[in-house]
Amino acid sequence: DTGVSQNPRHKITKRGQNVTFRCDPISEHNRLYWYRQTLGQGPEFLTYFQNEAQLEKSRLLSDRFSAERPKGSFSTLEIQRTEQGDSAMYLCASSPTASGSYNEQFFGPGTRLTVL
Amino acid sequence: AQSVSQHNHHVILSEAASLELGCNYSYGGTVNLFWYVQYPGQHLQLLLKYFSGDPLVKGIKGFEAEFIKSKFSFNLRKPSVQWSDTAEYFCAVTGLLYNQGGKLIFGQGTELSVKP
Repeated sequence: DTGVSQNPRHKITKRGQNVTFRCDPISEHNRLYWYRQTLGQGPEFLTYFQNEAQLEKSRLLSDRFSAERPKGSFSTLEIQRTEQGDSAMYLCASSPTASGSYNEQFFGPGTRLTVL
Repeated sequence: AQSVSQHNHHVILSEAASLELGCNYSYGGTVNLFWYVQYPGQHLQLLLKYFSGDPLVKGIKGFEAEFIKSKFSFNLRKPSVQWSDTAEYFCAVTGLLYNQGGKLIFGQGTELSVKP
């Protein structure tokens, strides 16, 4: 069981640069979620995919953020023109459900982004 | 608006003391409730969950939680904490409707420090 993996684990960038994070969900999990967590807060939902379809985006996800899940496997989250306020831990989670019932979400270790 | 509130930001206990962490939620409709735990240096993992039925649910490592619908609460308890329970604890809720996507709404977290 490899679990959810995320790369890189840490990213330091200068303001204005673009960054891209990758998430590999647990094999055969249909749903994939992205969350953002800042210091002293709980994770906040950003977006989620059902297979390759992006079904919901939070209002937290500005135009500078884009997420993809080609072929319904791994997902990428790109932030363009980073700002210092983007500094946070970006978490990915996956779950096996494709129906209306909930299934447990399994979280990855996260990617910590620091924007200087 | 959907929200989860955790009453305690930081709790300090001695080993063998009893623990109760408060969680209240605001969410229209039927919900599933969760407690997640994040040990130092590790990723989020599920501690316990409530879907339906017996409102007293038991999780891993001796933790339990009670769902009180009339109070919109889901408090976490443990009769006797150990030093290894030092971690951050998050309460979370999700709606059951398919179009709600299973996204989790988290509280801000409670940091538990257990002194040996």
